[in-house]
Amino acid sequence: DSGVTQTPKHLITATGQRVTLRCSPRSGDLSVYWYQQSLDQGLQFLIHYYNGEERAKGNILERFSAQQFPDLHSELNLSSLELGDSALYFCASSPQSDTQYFGPGTRLTVL
Amino acid sequence: QKEVEQDPGPLSVPEGAIVSLNCTYSNSAFQYFMWYRQYSRKGPELLMYTYSSGNKEDGRFTAQVDKSSKYISLFIRDSQPSDSATYLCAMSGPNTGGFKTIFGAGTRLFVKA
Repeated sequence: DSGVTQTPKHLITATGQRVTLRCSPRSGDLSVYWYQQSLDQGLQFLIHYYNGEERAKGNILERFSAQQFPDLHSELNLSSLELGDSALYFCASSPQSDTQYFGPGTRLTVL
Repeated sequence: QKEVEQDPGPLSVPEGAIVSLNCTYSNSAFQYFMWYRQYSRKGPELLMYTYSSGNKEDGRFTAQVDKSSKYISLFIRDSQPSDSATYLCAMSGPNTGGFKTIFGAGTRLFVKA
C-alpha cells in the first residue's frame, strides 16, 4: 500500500458526460501528479500540482482540468467525455521532486 | 527521438533466470533514476531509486546507472513467476520551473515456472 488513495475505483459513464476523480496523497507529500494509461499504453503525464499550485502540464486535453485543495487532496475533472477517454487514471504523490508513489488508479469506461 | 527509450518486450524467461531490463535516455539533465513494477491494472510500485551513476542492490534486484552512456539497467536475479509484470524506468531532473519526470513505455516480463 503506497499510502495514496483514489476514488472511485471504477467509473462507467456515457459519452458527453462529466466526471470527477479524487486523489488523496500520502501524508506530508505536497506534490500530486495525474497520469492517464490507456490499454497497453505507457503512462501519459497530464498535470502536476505542488502545494495547491499548478507546476507543469503534459498532454492534458482542454476538456480536462484539475485542482489541488488546501488539504492537499486533488481532483481531476473530465468533461464532454469521448470513447477514447476510457483508460486508467493514476494519481501519484511525491515528497520531493524525484520519487513518485502511485495510487491504485481509477478505471474509467466511457460507453 | 523520445527522451526515454525502453523496449516494450515481451520478454519471456524461465524461472531462476537472470533478467536484464534496460532504458536509454537523451537528456543529460536527468539526475534521479527509478524503476517501477506494475502488475496488470494496478498502480506502479516503486522498486529502486538511484541518484547519479553507480549501482544499487536490494535483495534480488540491482539497478545500474551509467550517465556517460545515458543507459540504465535493472537486473533481477533468481527470477520468480511472481516477478511477471511490466517494468517501467523513470528519470527526473531539473526543468524550467521545477522538476521533470519521464517514464519509459515499460517492458512486459513473463517468468515461466
